[in-house]
Amino acid sequence: EAGVTQFPSHSVIEKGQTVTLRCDPISGHDNLYWYRRVMGKEIKFLLHFVKESKQDESGMPNNRFLAERTGGTYSTLKVQPAELEDSGVYFCASSPSVTGELFFGEGSRLTVL
Amino acid sequence: DAKTTQPPSMDCAEGRAANLPCNHSTISGNEYVYWYRQIHSQGPQYIIHGLKNNETNEMASLIITEDRKSSTLILPHATLRDTAVYYCIVRAQRMDSSYKLIFGSGTRLLVRP
Repeated sequence: EAGVTQFPSHSVIEKGQTVTLRCDPISGHDNLYWYRRVMGKEIKFLLHFVKESKQDESGMPNNRFLAERTGGTYSTLKVQPAELEDSGVYFCASSPSVTGELFFGEGSRLTVL
Repeated sequence: DAKTTQPPSMDCAEGRAANLPCNHSTISGNEYVYWYRQIHSQGPQYIIHGLKNNETNEMASLIITEDRKSSTLILPHATLRDTAVYYCIVRAQRMDSSYKLIFGSGTRLLVRP
């Protein structure tokens, strides 16, 4: 069974550019989460989808971040325009239920120059 | 904010048991104790969770005190591949304010050859 996959594994962009990160959850998992870890900080929750609906987006840092999950399958996280402080590793996780075990992907490393 | 306290770092010899403590004195009755780990820069990996009884699986054992204010994760025979940051997290098993995984700073475990 395929795990959570994330693309790209590493992205290097310049300040002001746009980047879109993609996450494919484990098949059948309705719950999808985005987390991120910026340099030297703890892993922080960004948002939670249940199917295609945003259940909780309290962790989204500002309106430069847009997450979507069309059709309740894969999800994208767009950063536009990217700032230097957005550099870090963005993790996606999925779960079969709201309170079930989370399965994490390997992360997408974003470097903003 | 994380509701747990863990030592920042520990080490143990390869082949010996690693005992990682965690304090969660404000845990509420509906919250479980979860343990995850992050090996190097990989995505966090689920280890084990429990409510009040001791739990064991193929990876580890979880010992929770009777008052539930603290717990210990035990890796019975640590290997070099167990070197990682270990996170103790309290989490509700129902859809309320604490159902999300909230990562603290964790314990960095170094397994020595």
